[in-house]
Amino acid sequence: EVQLVESGGGLVQPGGSLRLSCAASGFTFSSYNMNWVRQAPGKGLEWVSYISSSSSAIYYADSVKGRFTISRDNAKNSLYLQMNSLRAEDTAVYFCARRDSAYDIWGQGTLVTVSS
Amino acid sequence: DIQMTQSPSTLSASAGDRVTITCRASQSISSWLAWYQQKPGKAPNLLIYKASSLESGVPSRFSGSGSGTEFTLTISSLQPDDFATYYCQQYNSYPRTFGQGTKVEIK
Repeated sequence: EVQLVESGGGLVQPGGSLRLSCAASGFTFSSYNMNWVRQAPGKGLEWVSYISSSSSAIYYADSVKGRFTISRDNAKNSLYLQMNSLRAEDTAVYFCARRDSAYDIWGQGTLVTVSS
Repeated sequence: DIQMTQSPSTLSASAGDRVTITCRASQSISSWLAWYQQKPGKAPNLLIYKASSLESGVPSRFSGSGSGTEFTLTISSLQPDDFATYYCQQYNSYPRTFGQGTKVEIK
């Protein structure tokens, strides 16, 4: 079964850091571009970051640029999001999603809460 | 950045109704548009890609049309399982952007 499973979310204080992981299975992870998308409570979807299959191309939303870092380990079939200098407005469910175009596979999401 | 605007924000309909949701882009995105369905507490599910191509496994009552700046998602006969929130997304350029969502409610 093609699957993405996120982990690493939790409660963190403003200014803190967190590292999210996304484990892929059921497909050749190294062949696919990947993304992080987030959704604040009760709000819409916001694209956060993109990484190409070989990590040669990386993009970020302006709202996270300079604070978040996307990476991947194709040997471990895993995608990561290192989040530093977290703010209250980063509180959201974070989804990993497959493909560069329309996102055909999504994980179930992991909740990040930034609060003192 | 390309702004995506959906209308209406909320739609009240009954099972069996034909439903149309509109998505407008602030500049031309050719046909690089996707539609997603999201139910509470769940991840979005891809319905339509490239404006009018039906994703595998998605019921044929869903259809998409449009190009350039104006797009529509149509549900030909609303089923109980279709009450959800729908989002459009452009993938013409970065940053990728989504519409604000359209919630389809039971009338």
